[in-house]
Amino acid sequence: QKEVEQDPGPLSVPEGAIVSLNCTYSNSAFQYFMWYRQYSRKGPELLMYTYSSGNKEDGRFTAQVDKSSKYISLFIRDSQPSDSATYLCAMSLYNNNDMRFGAGTRLTVKP
Amino acid sequence: DTGVSQDPRHKITKRGQNVTFRCDPISEHNRLYWYRQTLGQGPEFLTYFQNEAQLEKSRLLSDRFSAERPKGSFSTLEIQRTEQGDSAMYLCASSLVPPDREGGSNQPQHFGDGTRLSIL
Repeated sequence: QKEVEQDPGPLSVPEGAIVSLNCTYSNSAFQYFMWYRQYSRKGPELLMYTYSSGNKEDGRFTAQVDKSSKYISLFIRDSQPSDSATYLCAMSLYNNNDMRFGAGTRLTVKP
Repeated sequence: DTGVSQDPRHKITKRGQNVTFRCDPISEHNRLYWYRQTLGQGPEFLTYFQNEAQLEKSRLLSDRFSAERPKGSFSTLEIQRTEQGDSAMYLCASSLVPPDREGGSNQPQHFGDGTRLSIL
């Protein structure tokens, strides 16, 4: 079993839809949780950065962390074609030297 | 916007050759990380530096891999005697850890666009 599990998709939605992306993990010691967006042939771009459980909102993006269930989510409201990319979840222990990534979910938003 | 810069963007070489990649972090960042990403997978941590000190290298894939950050600014990742399985994207990231928290702190990492290595 991988330490971080993420459904690779692909996921295809119409423009304007609400997108839900999820990851589960096995190491209960993870404390920091990140979401990155990666366009083709580009490096990962940090979208959300959260500590411990709870919700964090930034514009159209909302990140949720449920440590009791070892489950994190990213919601994208009013999705746009420009949101089409691979979304990577990542998490780490207190010391952020070693982020563990999911495999990424490939999202396509159709106009 | 002076983000993390990596050079070259793409490197094609024959099996058995040595290759070296360069990373220039965000200028004020004191931590620098190297990751490898293969197709369809998330990045995999390799090593990191705090200023010029390499504080973690046990995750380097083999003794053919080495990294340096001699002056605490740019870093190089070298792969000797390349093999087919080394074909991947090599990503560099950097972060800023405040001096009073250098013993163990979590700050977001910002990535460059990577060097894509292709072994013929």
